[in-house]
Amino acid sequence: AQKVTQAQTEISVVEKEDVTLDCVYETRDTTYYLFWYKQPPSGELVFLIRRNSFDEQNEISGRYSWNFQKSTSSFNFTITASQVVDSAVYFCALSDVSGNTPLVFGKGTRLSVIA
Amino acid sequence: GAGVSQSPSNKVTEKGKDVELRCDPISGHTALYWYRQSLGQGLEFLIYFQGNSAPDKSGLPSDRFSAERTGGSVSTLTIQRTQQEDSAVYLCASSLIPAASSGNTIYFGEGSWLTVV
Repeated sequence: AQKVTQAQTEISVVEKEDVTLDCVYETRDTTYYLFWYKQPPSGELVFLIRRNSFDEQNEISGRYSWNFQKSTSSFNFTITASQVVDSAVYFCALSDVSGNTPLVFGKGTRLSVIA
Repeated sequence: GAGVSQSPSNKVTEKGKDVELRCDPISGHTALYWYRQSLGQGLEFLIYFQGNSAPDKSGLPSDRFSAERTGGSVSTLTIQRTQQEDSAVYLCASSLIPAASSGNTIYFGEGSWLTVV
C-alpha cells in the first residue's frame, strides 16, 4: 500500500529564515510520481511540483527547492528566505504512473512565517 | 472556465438534511476526484471518475454518500441524512489521463465548506 508521512504538523519561522518540510513515502511500485501542493488560507490546493521516480536530480525554482532521495524514500521541500506569503499548509503526495489511481496525500505541514 | 469550479463555496445544513455539492472540472479533463479534508486532517480520498464511470469508490465513508458524473463533465457529490461528522471541506480535482510517461498532475478547486449543525 502507498503511504505518505509528513511528520511535521506545524512549523513557525521568522521571515527570511530557510525552512525544510519533510516528506517520507512508502510504495511497492518501482516507478511512481511525487508531488507537493500548497494550500493557502483560501483553501485551494496549488500544484507546486511533480517528480518522476526515475529522476533523482534536485530541482530549484526560485526560492523553492526539492531534494529527492530514493534511497531514503524522501522528497523534502526547502523554502529559502521565507516570506509571510509562504504561510500555508503544504501537502506531499504520491501516485502510481498509470493515472488510474488517486493521489495519496500526507496529512500536511502547516507553515507559519512571522514578520 | 480556466480552473476547477465548485459550488456552493459554503453550506450550512441541519443534521438529517441532504446536501448536494457540485464540481465543474477543467474543460477536457476526463478524470475527476473528490477528496474530503476535515479540520486539522489530511486529504481523504472519496471517489474517482474516469469519464462517467467510477472505477474506485473505495473511499466513500458510508452508503449515505454517493456521487455521479454526467456527460463526462460536471459531477455531483450527494450526502444524505447529514451528520455532524460530515462537516469538512469537500475538494474536487480534475486531471487529464495522460500517457504514463507524462504523469498525473491534478488540479484542485477551492472546495465546498460544509457545516452540519
